[in-house]
Amino acid sequence: QSALTQPASVSGSPGQSITISCTGTSSDIQTYNHVSWYQQHPGKAPKVIIYDARKRPSGISNRFSGSKSGNTASLTISRLQAEDEADYYCCSYAGSGTWVFGGGTKVTVL
Amino acid sequence: QLQLQESGPGLVKPSETLSLTCTVSGGSISSSSYYWGWIRQRLGKRLEWIGYIYYSGSTYYNPSLKSRLTMSLDTSKNQFSLRVRSVTAADTAVYYCARSDLYEYYFDYWGQGALVTVSS
Repeated sequence: QSALTQPASVSGSPGQSITISCTGTSSDIQTYNHVSWYQQHPGKAPKVIIYDARKRPSGISNRFSGSKSGNTASLTISRLQAEDEADYYCCSYAGSGTWVFGGGTKVTVL
Repeated sequence: QLQLQESGPGLVKPSETLSLTCTVSGGSISSSSYYWGWIRQRLGKRLEWIGYIYYSGSTYYNPSLKSRLTMSLDTSKNQFSLRVRSVTAADTAVYYCARSDLYEYYFDYWGQGALVTVSS
């Protein structure tokens, strides 16, 4: 069970859009739609912002959107705001009741 | 509002057993609708799924940790627990307990996290 691959960092200016990729394998992302994304601010617990690859939980801004193609999932943050500066993690169901996370991406708002 | 709170020793000696408890308030761990899990975050930041337990006692463990793990439930106290045997410095991390919906496949409620350091 290998970790999903994410870029270490992504940056953008306020108002811009950024996209974070999350690459897995045929054992996880390619097979299952159960990909979730978590936002984590320093010293805080992660918070889910996307589940089932593209669904948003109640209360999550529509500036966050998700997609999936093949073995790669993506998170797009539109109209970037200062409060979006955080670490972002993808997570995929990997079958047999197991889960795997990505290495995390630090988003910097310039 | 559901709340989860981790508790346990913050310092464990190498080769000993790490034990953590998660106390759940505002909901019952006896519900058939949820899994109750553990996730850790080493200081290098990557999250790592450890495993989870269902109200029936069924467990699902990370294959890489499975040989050292035990999870259990105490429904009378509305708590669930994690034990990791034979710890090394590599087990030093912030440990989170979290809830996962049976059908929604994501972790919707998390504890605040508990730092456990493995050191002599």
